[in-house]
Amino acid sequence: AQTVTQSQPEMSVQEAETVTLSCTYDTSENNYYLFWYKQPPSRQMILVIRQEAYKQQNATENRFSVNFQKAAKSFSLKISDSQLGDTAMYFCAFMKHDGARSYKYIFGTGTRLKVLA
Amino acid sequence: DTGVSQDPRHKITKRGQNVTFRCDPISEHNRLYWYRQTLGQGPEFLTYFQNEAQLEKSRLLSDRFSAERPKGSFSTLEIQRTEQGDSAMYLCASSLVGGGRYEQYFGPGTRLTVT
Repeated sequence: AQTVTQSQPEMSVQEAETVTLSCTYDTSENNYYLFWYKQPPSRQMILVIRQEAYKQQNATENRFSVNFQKAAKSFSLKISDSQLGDTAMYFCAFMKHDGARSYKYIFGTGTRLKVLA
Repeated sequence: DTGVSQDPRHKITKRGQNVTFRCDPISEHNRLYWYRQTLGQGPEFLTYFQNEAQLEKSRLLSDRFSAERPKGSFSTLEIQRTEQGDSAMYLCASSLVGGGRYEQYFGPGTRLTVT
C-alpha cells in the first residue's frame, strides 16, 4: 500500500519570501503521478502542480516548482515570492497509473501555510 | 466549464437519519470520485466511477454507504442510519481519463454534521 507523509503540520513565511513544503511517499510502483493541491480556507481544492514519475525534469508552474527525488521518494514544493493569497492548506497526493487507467489519490495530512504581511 | 458542483453545501442531521448528497462533475469527465475529509486530515478515498460503473470501493465505505452514477453524469452518495462518526466533509472530484492528463478537479464539498 502507498503512503504519503507531510511532516510539517504548519509553516509560515513572510510575503515575498520563499518557502519549501516537504512530502515523502512510499510505494513499490514504478508508474505514478504526484500532485500538490491547495485548499484555501473554506474553499475548494485547486491543483497547484503535477509531476509524472517517469520524467526526470522537475515541474514548474510560475512561482511554484517541485524538487522530485525519485530514488529518495521525496516531492517537495517550493513557493517563490510568496503572496498573501498563498495562505492555505497544501496537500501532497500520490496516484499510481497503468497506461490509460488512473486510480484514486492517496493524500498526505497536509501542511497549513500562512503568509505574513 | 462550470467546474464540479455539490449539493447541499452543508447538512445537519440527527443520528439515525438518512442523508443523500449530489455531485455534478465537469461535463466531459468520465471519472467521478468520492472522498471524505475530517478535520486536520487529508481526504480519504471512498469510491469511484468510470461512466456509470462503480470500479472500486474503499473499506471505509460501510454497508450504510451507497453511491450511484446512474447515467454516467451526476452521482449521489447516500448514508443510511447516520452516526456521529460520519460527520465530515464529503468531497467529489472528476477527471478525464486519457490524453496523458490524470488530475482530478474537486468540488466545494458537502459538510455533514450528525448531532
